[in-house]
Amino acid sequence: AQTVTQSQPEMSVQEAETVTLSCTYDTSENNYYLFWYKQPPSRQMILVIRQEAYKQQNATENRFSVNFQKAAKSFSLKISDSQLGDTAMYFCAFIPYSGGGADGLTFGKGTHLIIQP
Amino acid sequence: DVKVTQSSRYLVKRTGEKVFLECVQDMDHENMFWYRQDPGLGLRLIYFSYDVKMKEKGDIPEGYSVSREKKERFSLILESASTNQTSMYLCASSSASGGDETQYFGPGTRLLVL
Repeated sequence: AQTVTQSQPEMSVQEAETVTLSCTYDTSENNYYLFWYKQPPSRQMILVIRQEAYKQQNATENRFSVNFQKAAKSFSLKISDSQLGDTAMYFCAFIPYSGGGADGLTFGKGTHLIIQP
Repeated sequence: DVKVTQSSRYLVKRTGEKVFLECVQDMDHENMFWYRQDPGLGLRLIYFSYDVKMKEKGDIPEGYSVSREKKERFSLILESASTNQTSMYLCASSSASGGDETQYFGPGTRLLVL
């Protein structure tokens, strides 16, 4: 069984600042995927970024990047130049590689990020 | 873009009613999932399906059943709704090919059972 831990229930930063959200996980799997999802007040769960465990290079998507440390089982999300629209719950999620995707995601409890004007 | 839709954003039902939550995806995905989201408990997997008429129990299947008669549609059924099933229900889908395990979510259905 896998576990995902997000140790920061809530964070608040000023607009345009850089913020890092933490995530650690525990698994005995060697090949897996990690995700960050964003859930704004509308409640729609939106994919932010994805990392494949066999790839050493950290994923980036515009202002969003990750620091993936496989040995430490750490997967943090960095948001640069934060914007008011980044205010949301952020969930870290894990899925073992199965070749067919037929498995559920294991989610952390989430971090509520507030961007202050 | 992947589009996952859910039949209702908000639903109010009475205890004992049979409740159907419908989910439709338009990307020809093989896999479909139902999660529930509760404050303090996070998201938990109820059931998933990897093909038409195929289903697998998730972590909390008790009190629920599912139906997948067509590839694009996955229904969650509460046979006799109870107040402890008041929750946010999220549907997701993913492809079984290409090595992409990404799950794409619908907008959610907030169910209140009175």
